[in-house]
Amino acid sequence: EVLLVESGGGLVQPGGSLRLSCAASGFTFSSFWMLWVRQAPGKGLVWVSRINTGGSSTTYADSVKGRFTISRDNAKNTLYLQMNSLRAEDTAVYYCVRPGYCSSTSCHTPFDYWGQGTLVTVSS
Amino acid sequence: DIVMTQSPDSLAVSLGERATINCKSSQSVLYSSNNKNYLAWYQQKPGQPPKLLISWASTRESGVPDRFSGSGSGTDFTLTISSLQAEDVAVYYCQQCYSTPFTFGPGTKVDIK
Repeated sequence: EVLLVESGGGLVQPGGSLRLSCAASGFTFSSFWMLWVRQAPGKGLVWVSRINTGGSSTTYADSVKGRFTISRDNAKNTLYLQMNSLRAEDTAVYYCVRPGYCSSTSCHTPFDYWGQGTLVTVSS
Repeated sequence: DIVMTQSPDSLAVSLGERATINCKSSQSVLYSSNNKNYLAWYQQKPGQPPKLLISWASTRESGVPDRFSGSGSGTDFTLTISSLQAEDVAVYYCQQCYSTPFTFGPGTKVDIK
């Protein structure tokens, strides 16, 4: 059974930092690209970032580019999202997501599995 | 960026009746080399993460009831629930995975009338 368990959310002041983790199990983590998607309270879904299988290729939404860094540790089956210079508009539930199987060079498959999410609140 | 729109914003349907949700993309999400539409549908129930229902515009995921169906091509797509059940109350999102950022529609809330 595929399991994605996020952790690291919480309350942080504007301008602060937070690191989210996602522990993956039930599949060969190193064979799948991974993503983060967020959802502000009562709002829709927004794709945040993605990373390829080896961690050498990353892509970000414009709204987080330069502030967030996605990374992974395939030995620990864990995905990360380092969030710096946080703003009130970053307040959201952050989901760790596994898409379907992708090629080594591109990933355009739907999002098969989602974690339960971790809430990040940016407020003074 | 590809902008996804959905209509209606919400709808209420009687149990056993048909529910139809429309999704439109600002540019085609049909990849001509493989004739696949890079369009997915998700269901999100309150307090839960989204669940993938349909891939490639019309391919139902394993375990998804056959009352759910997807259709359309290019820029215009439809999700149909042929006979609404109580457990189908949720918000439904379309999403394009044709190009990054992989954008979602704003969602359509489905309730029981």
